[in-house]
Amino acid sequence: GPKVLQIPSHQIIDMGQMVTLNCDPVSNHLYFYWYKQILGQQMEFLVNFYNGKVMEKSKLFKDQFSVERPDGSYFTLKIQPTALEDSAVYFCASSTGTGGLEQYFGPGTRLTVL
Amino acid sequence: GEKVEQHESTLSVREGDSAVINCTYTDTASSYFPWYKQEAGKSLHFVIDIRSNVDRKQSQRLIVLLDKKAKRFSLHITATQPEDSAIYFCAASGNYGSSGNKLIFGIGTLLSVKP
Repeated sequence: GPKVLQIPSHQIIDMGQMVTLNCDPVSNHLYFYWYKQILGQQMEFLVNFYNGKVMEKSKLFKDQFSVERPDGSYFTLKIQPTALEDSAVYFCASSTGTGGLEQYFGPGTRLTVL
Repeated sequence: GEKVEQHESTLSVREGDSAVINCTYTDTASSYFPWYKQEAGKSLHFVIDIRSNVDRKQSQRLIVLLDKKAKRFSLHITATQPEDSAIYFCAASGNYGSSGNKLIFGIGTLLSVKP
């Protein structure tokens, strides 16, 4: 079936540094999402993105977070600066959005902030 | 905000038996309820969904039931096989339509199917 790719699979950085998580969504999909999962906890919605704009974001989507998808390339989540509590697995998802609600998930990026 | 509670954190069944995973939600506006499966080391894989205009949906060995009055939905896996062993996540969404839908997830149920 359709695949969402995420790069890198793991990232270890020092607190205060910037990190960019990359997502390659399904090619004909129009809606893109980021979710965050801390070990042992529920996966939580961060943000969704359509037509170059953030449509909705949760309270977890702090001011240090930003998303973009320049010219149909990767859909990215940038965190600048990072904090210890940003350590989690970040999942990207995409959907067609036009009647097809099914979201396809990537394998996740495990981010460790030291 | 919307909360989704998944009632079984672990579930163990014998091969061939049925497995049932139950979830409840809080927001009466929720209208879309997907289920995902996650095998060890792999991503979430969509298995089945149900929309609020029906109360039952079946896809092969999977049945989803929705009780809107009780705000409860459940996944029934019939004739279980060892390869059904995984973590199953329920989710709910109320943003049905062209604005995209954010999913509110349950915490997951680890299903073990013993031969």
